[in-house]
Amino acid sequence: SQQGEEDPQALSIQEGENATMNCSYKTSINNLQWYRQNSGRGLVHLILIRSNEREKHSGRLRVTLDTSKKSSSLLITASRAADTASYFCGVGAQKLVFGQGTRLTINP
Amino acid sequence: NAGVMQNPRHLVRRRGQEARLRCSPMKGHSHVYWYRQLPEEGLKFMVYLQKENIIDESGMPKERFSAEFPKEGPSILRIQQVVRGDSAAYFCASSLIGDETQYFGPGTRLLVL
Repeated sequence: SQQGEEDPQALSIQEGENATMNCSYKTSINNLQWYRQNSGRGLVHLILIRSNEREKHSGRLRVTLDTSKKSSSLLITASRAADTASYFCGVGAQKLVFGQGTRLTINP
Repeated sequence: NAGVMQNPRHLVRRRGQEARLRCSPMKGHSHVYWYRQLPEEGLKFMVYLQKENIIDESGMPKERFSAEFPKEGPSILRIQQVVRGDSAAYFCASSLIGDETQYFGPGTRLLVL
């Protein structure tokens, strides 16, 4: 399957530090999407990166994609308490496949 | 521009009852997707619909579950004769034609007693 698998499963850092989460998948993809989910809420779309892109930025977010290693990373710089959430990568075209996510906790 | 809307946000049903979950996509979006999330897990794809058509239902349980997206009105996910294992959060997402970005609604949390 194309399943996206995030690691680590949980990450706890101090406010102001950078947070890096990784996603691995199994088959070739056209694009990969990162989402954030706050506790008890829906998913918020963060970034879509296409297979012909290696890096993409959006504010404090930086996403990289290495298709040779079938992996992607999400970097959040200068983390804030409001970044506390679960982060998921989704792979696939219309049928997105998600892993179990990375639970990020930002400690004040 | 309102986002994807789902209702109800919370639904409690007793075993054997029917659950009807509604999803209104973002304005202009004609593709709808349903996902299910069990506690502490990621979302699992259920079904992909376009107006009046089911495109991919490979994630739908074979029995008791059905989905529709009529020409007019919201998309409906229907679960007949609910069982406790159906308790989960059900999320709807929508997208534009030709756009692979999916925008998610707030979800419906179904609790089966």
